[in-house]
Amino acid sequence: DTGVSQDPRHKITKRGQNVTFRCDPISEHNRLYWYRQTLGQGPEFLTYFQNEAQLEKSRLLSDRFSAERPKGSFSTLEIQRTEQGDSAMYLCASSSSRTGGRDEQFFGPGTRLTVL
Amino acid sequence: AQKVTQAQTEISVVEKEDVTLDCVYETRDTTYYLFWYKQPPSGELVFLIRRNSFDEQNEISGRYSWNFQKSTSSFNFTITASQVVDSAVYFCALTYSGYALNFGKGTSLLVTP
Repeated sequence: DTGVSQDPRHKITKRGQNVTFRCDPISEHNRLYWYRQTLGQGPEFLTYFQNEAQLEKSRLLSDRFSAERPKGSFSTLEIQRTEQGDSAMYLCASSSSRTGGRDEQFFGPGTRLTVL
Repeated sequence: AQKVTQAQTEISVVEKEDVTLDCVYETRDTTYYLFWYKQPPSGELVFLIRRNSFDEQNEISGRYSWNFQKSTSSFNFTITASQVVDSAVYFCALTYSGYALNFGKGTSLLVTP
């Protein structure tokens, strides 16, 4: 049973560059979430997909951020023109709505982004 | 607006001691869900428990127990006979929607031999 996987695990980039992260959810899960976690803080919700539809976006998700889930399976999160304030751990989670919803979200290991 | 407060930033205990992690929440919603997650040093968040607002029964799972009290808006987590492997950051979270989890800042628990 494979869990949520994320790639890459670490990314170092220079300010102004674009970066893209990938998340592969648990195969039978139709819901996918992105969170951001900075040092000493809890994860902060960024966005949520049910199948391929992006149903919710946080105010934290500025215009430089875009997320996609084109076929309702894997998802990508792109950050354009990175800033030092984007340095954080980006977490992906998945869950299934088929068991009544409100189920626990299973988290991946995260992608740690460092912007120099 | 929803808010989760974990007032204890760090707790240090000696192995076999009992420890309680506090969680206080704020919400205007009548239906909501509370969670506890564990984040060990490896970094991956691990689900521990979910509780909905209509179920105030306490729950025990092995050495873990949870006390949910709507009257005080608290959802506290107790580890009995703590072990070194319990060392981690523990997060309490709240959602009304079922998807956007609002996390507290976490409590870092260190259990020493």
